[in-house]
Amino acid sequence: EAGVAQSPRYKIIEKRQSVAFWCNPISGHATLYWYQQILGQGPKLLIQFQNNGVVDDSQLPKDRFSAERLKGVDSTLKIQPAKLEDSAVYLCASSLSYGEAANTGELFFGEGSRLTVL
Amino acid sequence: AQKITQTQPGMFVQEKEAVTLDCTYDTSDQSYGLFWYKQPSSGEMIFLIYQGSYDEQNATEGRYSLNFQKARKSANLVISASQLGDSAMYFCARGKDSGNTGKLIFGQGTTLQVKP
Repeated sequence: EAGVAQSPRYKIIEKRQSVAFWCNPISGHATLYWYQQILGQGPKLLIQFQNNGVVDDSQLPKDRFSAERLKGVDSTLKIQPAKLEDSAVYLCASSLSYGEAANTGELFFGEGSRLTVL
Repeated sequence: AQKITQTQPGMFVQEKEAVTLDCTYDTSDQSYGLFWYKQPSSGEMIFLIYQGSYDEQNATEGRYSLNFQKARKSANLVISASQLGDSAMYFCARGKDSGNTGKLIFGQGTTLQVKP
C-alpha cells in the first residue's frame, strides 16, 4: 500500500516569495492534516480536512497561508508571501475518518517538505 | 491550551540497555488516547505505540512499552534493549479526546542517542 506522498522534499526561497506544497494521502483516507514543524519542536497542526471540508484551521496564519483539498483527495498548502519564520518542515498526514470504527487514531505521515526562507 | 510536556530535551543510553522517555499531559477529558512517534533524521514520523485512557493494561509493542499512570497524567515510553537504530527524536502526542476530531497534539520531543 502506497504511503502519504509529498512534494517537493526541499525548497529554498527568498522572503516575500511564494511556495506551494502538495500532498497525496493514503487511498481511502478521508482525513488529511497539514502540520508545521519548526526545527527542534514538535509538529503543530495548521489545518485539518475531512473529505473536502475544513475541520480545524484555528492555527493557520490566514493572512499568508492557504490550503485546499478540492476533490477530497490530494491537497495543496500555499504560503504567500513567505517570512523568515516560515522556515520549517511541512508534514502532511492522513487517517481514516475520525468517526469510523476502524480508526485507531493513528496518523500516517509523509516524509515532509523542508522549507528554507532566506 | 491543553499541553503535552516532554521534559528531557536529550537523552543518552548505552546500546542494549533500557531507557525511559518521559511524557506528561494536561487534560480534563476522561476519554483520550496517547501516542508515541519516532522521527529519525530522514524526517518521517513513525508510529510506535498507542494507549487508550480506559485500557487497564499498559500497552506493549515489541521492545516498546508504555508506562501509563492515569492519576499522574503520565505516559512514559520504555525502550528495552536499545539498538543503534533507535537514535532519533521521539514525540508523545494526545488525541481521541472528547472533541475527537482526529488531530494529535504533540509534545516538543526528546532526542535519544544510543551509544555503541
